[in-house]
Amino acid sequence: NAGVTQTPKFQVLKTGQSMTLQCAQDMNHEYMSWYRQDPGMGLRLIHYSVGAGITDQGEVPNGYNVSRSTTEDFPLRLLSAAPSQTSVYFCASRTSVSYEQYFGPGTRLTVT
Amino acid sequence: LAKTTQPISMDSYEGQEVNITCSHNNIATNDYITWYQQFPSQGPRFIIQGYKTKVTNEVASLFIPADRKSSTLSLPRVSLSDTAVYYCLVGSPMFSGGYNKLIFGAGTRLAVHP
Repeated sequence: NAGVTQTPKFQVLKTGQSMTLQCAQDMNHEYMSWYRQDPGMGLRLIHYSVGAGITDQGEVPNGYNVSRSTTEDFPLRLLSAAPSQTSVYFCASRTSVSYEQYFGPGTRLTVT
Repeated sequence: LAKTTQPISMDSYEGQEVNITCSHNNIATNDYITWYQQFPSQGPRFIIQGYKTKVTNEVASLFIPADRKSSTLSLPRVSLSDTAVYYCLVGSPMFSGGYNKLIFGAGTRLAVHP
């Protein structure tokens, strides 16, 4: 099993550009989430999904979109990048009956 | 979700036992206590989860008193590689009303010194 994979590992964007962060898991987990982590801070939940076709907002959803067309994939779209979105983004997955969540390696995003 | 309070930072030395306490006064009946570990530049990693009394695995022990208003993560004989941020989370993964969000606080930054 590859677990949770994320691409790219690093990305630099200019203000106003859009992009998609990719996330995939091969553990057949129902739940998937996106978090952002700013320097020296804990993780904040952006969006989550409880299954294919079902998504909802977390704590800090503004400026981001998600979709879940398959169990395996959960891409995060930045609509119009802003410097405030400079952060490390983590994707995670788990089953519906456990808090044992598996995290990807993260994407370090810089918006200039 | 129950709010948690844990120390911002702790220092220890190699070979010592480290105990990190988390306070969760408004824990609900169905809530479990879960701890994660995060190394720099990596995603968090699940360490241990418990409901009451004591849980032990190959990495750590989790002590939960009868009133469940606090919990203590115990790391035996720490090494330099245990330097990390440790997060305490409280919630019920089997909440029937739907997804129960995992909310991470700032965590406890543990520094292990030679």
